[in-house]
Amino acid sequence: TQLLEQSPQFLSIQEGENLTVYCNSSSVFSSLQWYRQEPGEGPVLLVTVVTGGEVKKLKRLTFQFGDARKDSSLHITAAQPGDTGLYLCAGHPSGTYKYIFGTGTRLKVLA
Amino acid sequence: ETGVTQSPTHLIKTRGQQVTLRCSSQSGHNTVSWYQQALGQGPQFIFQYYREEENGRGNFPPRFSGLQFPNYSSELNVNALELDDSALYLCASSLGSGGINEQFFGPGTRLTVL
Repeated sequence: TQLLEQSPQFLSIQEGENLTVYCNSSSVFSSLQWYRQEPGEGPVLLVTVVTGGEVKKLKRLTFQFGDARKDSSLHITAAQPGDTGLYLCAGHPSGTYKYIFGTGTRLKVLA
Repeated sequence: ETGVTQSPTHLIKTRGQQVTLRCSSQSGHNTVSWYQQALGQGPQFIFQYYREEENGRGNFPPRFSGLQFPNYSSELNVNALELDDSALYLCASSLGSGGINEQFFGPGTRLTVL
């Protein structure tokens, strides 16, 4: 079974704090995507990482793909209430057409 | 550029009934994938259609079936509905299948089975 496990599952922090969300698997992924989902809406793509060790920045968000392409992390600097949402990692395990989503991290940033 | 659209937005059915959900892919995209998202969980892959052919399927029973049309729009059909089928059903489109093709999601159809 190809699973993407995310941690933590829930996170409640104060505005201005930093946080890191982890996405781990025992399988190799050809790429990983990170999404944010608001209640009642579909996931919105934030970033795609492809190369092992790759680091991408999107304003206050930093995404990293593990060297072995089995894990990824999302770091948010100086979190804001607008960052509140469900964060999901997802990707295609190498050699398959299946698209696997992580278990999700629900973030709440308090003003 | 038109994004991914889904219809209907909400649907209520009773156990044993059949349902059809519809998805229009983003302009230029030839691949559509369907997902089931139960409350509080991440989406689960149902299947993917590429150029009108199913080319990947998750762990869902045969009563979940689909179609893709020449214009790349798609339908998800669920027969003999069960209470556990209550979920948000998401459609995503992409250019090509597999690999690093990024998927863009519609807003979903909320299905409630009573």
